[in-house]
Amino acid sequence: DQQVKQNSPSLSVQEGRISILNCDYTNSMFDYFLWYKKYPAEGPTFLISISSIKDKNEDGRFTVFLNKSAKHLSLHIVPSQPGDSAVYFCAATRNTGNQFYFGTGTSLTVIP
Amino acid sequence: EAQVTQNPRYLITVTGKKLTVTCSQNMNHEYMSWYRQDPGLGLRQIYYSMNVEVTDKGDVPEGYKVSRKEKRNFPLILESPSPNQTSLYFCASSDHQLNTEAFFGQGTRLTVV
Repeated sequence: DQQVKQNSPSLSVQEGRISILNCDYTNSMFDYFLWYKKYPAEGPTFLISISSIKDKNEDGRFTVFLNKSAKHLSLHIVPSQPGDSAVYFCAATRNTGNQFYFGTGTSLTVIP
Repeated sequence: EAQVTQNPRYLITVTGKKLTVTCSQNMNHEYMSWYRQDPGLGLRQIYYSMNVEVTDKGDVPEGYKVSRKEKRNFPLILESPSPNQTSLYFCASSDHQLNTEAFFGQGTRLTVV
């Protein structure tokens, strides 16, 4: 039972344009969300996070939006760069919990 | 340099032969966990540990054991590996269990034949 879902396995975007990666979750108890980036043959690396008390968090070119009523979050990358080509995982957890739940990942390709 | 080190990086073994994948972190993190990554299933948490001698099951603990005798080490033990445990395994650590970024190891590619 996948509690965190990334319904788009892949996404291609032109360099300089916006990349939007989506993530849905089913457990309304989740209240902290994270995005990780993964290059081939490497472990995932942390990108950005958001608490459920916020609906937006920015860090440079990366912005995460949270819509609690829709149980949906999205990662925006503006402008997209070829070095952003990687697999992106969203993850969720409960503040009082210790388990993390990851989505299946979206493979982003930024075309020069 | 802050890092999580897993060994081995690659392992091919036979069904039923006990194996251990080691994980060590140098950041004095309390929280450590193991994940497996499979096509179409993303990353799934196997076990996690909140501190020394404190471990708990994640989403997919069947067939695995862990121990946390020291803060820096969190080995993953497969007592009797089976082909369905063929996967890419990641160890991760973080400052504490509450919502801080996790640092991941490079991964261990395990094949059980």
